[in-house]
Amino acid sequence: EVQLVESGGSVVRPGGSLRLSCAISGFSFDDYGMSWVRQAPGKGLEWVSGIKRNGGITGHTDSVRGRFTISRDNAKNSLYLQMNSLRAEDTALYYCARDAAVGTEGVFDFWGQGTQVTVSS
Amino acid sequence: DIVMTQSPDSLAVSLGERATINCKSSQNVLYYSNKKTYLAWYQQKAGQPPQLLIYWASTREFGVPERFSGSGSGTNFTLTINSLQAEDVAVYYCQQYYSTPWTFGQGTKVEIK
Repeated sequence: EVQLVESGGSVVRPGGSLRLSCAISGFSFDDYGMSWVRQAPGKGLEWVSGIKRNGGITGHTDSVRGRFTISRDNAKNSLYLQMNSLRAEDTALYYCARDAAVGTEGVFDFWGQGTQVTVSS
Repeated sequence: DIVMTQSPDSLAVSLGERATINCKSSQNVLYYSNKKTYLAWYQQKAGQPPQLLIYWASTREFGVPERFSGSGSGTNFTLTINSLQAEDVAVYYCQQYYSTPWTFGQGTKVEIK
């Protein structure tokens, strides 16, 4: 069974940092690209950042470029998002999501349940 | 960035009737070299993560009921739910994966009339 389990969300002050993790099981992690997608309270979905199966970066949305870094450890079946210089507008539920397959990068067929990040003073 | 705009923002449909959701992209999301349209649809029920319904504009994901269908080309797309069921109450999102940043529509909330 495919499982994606996010962790690391917390309440943090503006300007602070957090590292989100996503533990993967049930499939061969290094065969798939991955992404982080966020959803602010009561709002829609926003793709944050993506990473290819070999660790190459797919990209970031403009609002997080230079502040967030996506990475993966294929040996540990884990995906990460290092979040620095956090702002109030980064408050959201952060999902990790799996690319459907090679050739469909950007289509997400499995999602975790999300981890909540709240940026507040 | 490619902007995705959905209409309507919400709609109420009677059980067994058809629901139609529109999505417009600010740029063509058809890749001419492979003739594939880089457009997906997701369903998000309350308190749950999104679920993939459709990709390549009209290919139904494995396990998705046949009452869900996607159509369209270029910049105009439609998700149709035939014979709406109670379990279809959700917010539906279109998304382009033609170019990064991958972007979603604002969502359409479907309710029972």
